[in-house]
Amino acid sequence: QSALTQPASVSGSPGQSITIFCTGTSSDVGDYKYVSWYQQHPGKAPKVLIYYVSNRPSGVSDRFSGSKSGNTASLTISGLQAEDEADYYCSSYTSSNTWVFGGGTKLTVL
Amino acid sequence: QITLKESGPTLVKPTQTLTLTCTFSGFSLSTSGVGVGWIRQPPGKALEWLALIYWDDDKHYSPSLKSRLTITKDTSKNQVVLTMTNMDPVDTATYYCAHRRAFYWYFGLWGRGTLVTVSS
Repeated sequence: QSALTQPASVSGSPGQSITIFCTGTSSDVGDYKYVSWYQQHPGKAPKVLIYYVSNRPSGVSDRFSGSKSGNTASLTISGLQAEDEADYYCSSYTSSNTWVFGGGTKLTVL
Repeated sequence: QITLKESGPTLVKPTQTLTLTCTFSGFSLSTSGVGVGWIRQPPGKALEWLALIYWDDDKHYSPSLKSRLTITKDTSKNQVVLTMTNMDPVDTATYYCAHRRAFYWYFGLWGRGTLVTVSS
């Protein structure tokens, strides 16, 4: 299985919105609603932001939202804040009963 | 409160076998639907899923690493063990274990990770 495709980097100014796309195949992102997104600050463990494409765990800001269309999922962060600067990873369950992560996207808040 | 902690050697030599232990609390791996997975991250690189074991001892592995990986659980000790054979410098990474909530398809809580360096 190949890693999901994400842009290497995105940037935005405080207060703006950005969207990170995650492209997979019909065997993972396209086949299931089991897409999740993780935020990772330097030296820290990943933290789940979104599960089941668009659901937020308790305690995650509603500035984070997710969606999916076909084989591509997306994470939108609205009202960018300095603390949002981090790496973001998408993940999907696959038709082979395995999991796959994206290559990661580094978000820079200008 | 769920916590997970990875432990094992920080340095292994090429060709050796790596054994990592995930010790957890706050949940039981005998509870229907629960799973524990392993994910690794080479320095400066992306996350890579390795393996997952379910409450019923069902096991799944990354296709690219399947021949080198074994995942087991000890429910009485609240531990999950991952072994990886024939270690190579490219396996240098931080190894994380993570909790898969019962019948939910994501990793909700992660350990802090343990850095394993492969070098002679």
